[in-house]
Amino acid sequence: EPEVTQTPSHQVTQMGQEVILRCVPISNHLYFYWYRQILGQKVEFLVSFYNNEISEKSEIFDDQFSVERPDGSNFTLKIRSTKLEDSAMYFCASRTTTGGAYGYTFGSGTRLTVV
Amino acid sequence: RKEVEQDPGPFNVPEGATVAFNCTYSNSASQSFFWYRQDCRKEPKLLMSVYSSGNEDGRFTAQLNRASQYISLLIRDSMLSDSATYLCVVNPNAGGTSYGKLTFGQGTILTVHP
Repeated sequence: EPEVTQTPSHQVTQMGQEVILRCVPISNHLYFYWYRQILGQKVEFLVSFYNNEISEKSEIFDDQFSVERPDGSNFTLKIRSTKLEDSAMYFCASRTTTGGAYGYTFGSGTRLTVV
Repeated sequence: RKEVEQDPGPFNVPEGATVAFNCTYSNSASQSFFWYRQDCRKEPKLLMSVYSSGNEDGRFTAQLNRASQYISLLIRDSMLSDSATYLCVVNPNAGGTSYGKLTFGQGTILTVHP
């Protein structure tokens, strides 16, 4: 079964450093997403990406965050200057053109720890 | 009011028990509804979609009441492997502009014990 692959599985970084979280979505999917989940809290939408541009973003996704699909296969989330409160599990997801959760596949996540 | 609200539990039930989870959502324009399952420190995985007519998948039954903006999940004959967090998830799809964004509830923790 096709998978969404995320690397690394765990990243530890110092406050103020830049981090890039990487994702390889399923090859024929057209919509890409980042979600995050702070420990003990709910899964929160960050951003959706379609047709090589951001289609929607949440209030969390401020100027410190950016996304890119540099080469047609990878989908990255960059945090420019990490803060302690950025510590969370970050999930990448992709889906086909059908609506809702149909065809929605999550990656296994990257655990980001900011120290 | 929270966009998607669930009783966080925890629910602690013996094997074989029937357990029900409830969820309410605030956006009356929401179009699609789902139950996801999340194991500890893992990604959410789709358990089932929820339809207005109610739908069943084996031991799992989901119901949707659009008038009350209420969603439920019933698990019959609980098994140890059902222990997980159950997430109520809504696709707002307000005016077709949501691009498939999912809104998650806090989750309800279920522990099934021998």
